[in-house]
Amino acid sequence: AQSVTQLGSHVSVSEGALVLLRCNYSSSVPPYLFWYVQYPNQGLQLLLKYTSAATLVKGINGFEAEFKKSETSFHLTKPSAHMSDAAEYFCAVTRSYNTDKLIFGTGTRLQVFP
Amino acid sequence: NAGVTQTPKFRVLKTGQSMTLLCAQDMNHEYMYWYRQDPGMGLRLIHYSVGEGTTAKGEVPDGYNVSRLKKQNFLLGLESAAPSQTSVYFCASRNPRSNTEAFFGQGTRLTVV
Repeated sequence: AQSVTQLGSHVSVSEGALVLLRCNYSSSVPPYLFWYVQYPNQGLQLLLKYTSAATLVKGINGFEAEFKKSETSFHLTKPSAHMSDAAEYFCAVTRSYNTDKLIFGTGTRLQVFP
Repeated sequence: NAGVTQTPKFRVLKTGQSMTLLCAQDMNHEYMYWYRQDPGMGLRLIHYSVGEGTTAKGEVPDGYNVSRLKKQNFLLGLESAAPSQTSVYFCASRNPRSNTEAFFGQGTRLTVV
């Protein structure tokens, strides 16, 4: 079975500071990994995805994530936080084949202070 | 292009009442999912479907039933609502062959009193 663990339910940064949101996965087969963002009272939208091509993945709004198999991690980063980045972020995993279930982590709420 | 549409957007139920949440997608996706979102617990998979006429249980299926009679629609039913089912429900769809990510609806906020 696959699962993801997001370390830190809340992360606070100052505007202009580095954003680092952590995600570790567990999967018995090579995974596909995703980061989604949810703004208040909205659905989820895709930030970026890893599907076994390049290990460093660039997404929208300046975010990127690196797949590290040795650490079973897929952490999300952004060099300089903006006030508009305040939202909840979810990491998700599915298997790279027989990709039926899509399992989400518990989420990390990002606060950005001026 | 509507994407994934959920109806209704809000609903208040009394304990013991029944209701059906409708999810419709216009992207011809094979897979559809129902999740519930609760504070501190992320999104938990209730049921999912990998094609018309097929459904399967997710992580938290108890108290819910689903049907996928048409490829574009995925219905989530609550036969006898309980306060523990107060939550925000999200539907999603994906086509694992053409694009691996899921596309989400805007959610249904359900309160059971």
